[in-house]
Amino acid sequence: KNQVEQSPQSLIILEGKNCTLQCNYTVSPFSNLRWYKQDTGRGPVSLTIMTFSENTKSNGRYTATLDADTKQSSLHITASQLSDSASYICVVSPAGNMLTFGGGTRLMVKP
Amino acid sequence: GAGVSQSPSNKVTEKGKDVELRCDPISGHTALYWYRQSLGQGLEFLIYFQGNSAPDKSGLPSDRFSAERTGGSVSTLTIQRTQQEDSAVYLCASSLGVATNEKLFFGSGTQLSVL
Repeated sequence: KNQVEQSPQSLIILEGKNCTLQCNYTVSPFSNLRWYKQDTGRGPVSLTIMTFSENTKSNGRYTATLDADTKQSSLHITASQLSDSASYICVVSPAGNMLTFGGGTRLMVKP
Repeated sequence: GAGVSQSPSNKVTEKGKDVELRCDPISGHTALYWYRQSLGQGLEFLIYFQGNSAPDKSGLPSDRFSAERTGGSVSTLTIQRTQQEDSAVYLCASSLGVATNEKLFFGSGTQLSVL
């Protein structure tokens, strides 16, 4: 069974600090890995999409890394803001757009 | 519209009743997906429509669940004889096509509560 595991489940940080969220997957074969941000009561919004040949991709203060050999990805958030409080979801695709979703990391940024 | 629109945003129903959830995708998007998100869980795939092809229904949890997509645009997810375990957020997403890196755009979801 394809699995996407995220850690930590939840995280509290102070505004301005950096943080890193982890994603391990067992999906095979692997096509692409995505990170989504989901605000409370809203649908997920795409942050990054990486294929197996990409090691890193940035979107503003968000930087995703991918190690396809160890099947690990991370999402690094720099200089966190209150608006970064959300759930961050790692999503892996074995082929095309059939996606397997992780359970998410719930991030809270406090002033 | 500018984004994926879902209605209603909230639905409270009694056990045993039928419900219909609506999704209006982004204009021109050929692919449409339905997902279910239970509290604290990852998104669960339900059904996928692509153009005029037969839908991929492999994620539907039981025969009480069905979905249509009329005219390649609006989609309706129907749940018959609702059960309490059907309570969840039902999310719809659309994409321009099905290329490997195609971005999915999600609606805000319908929060379904079955009493």
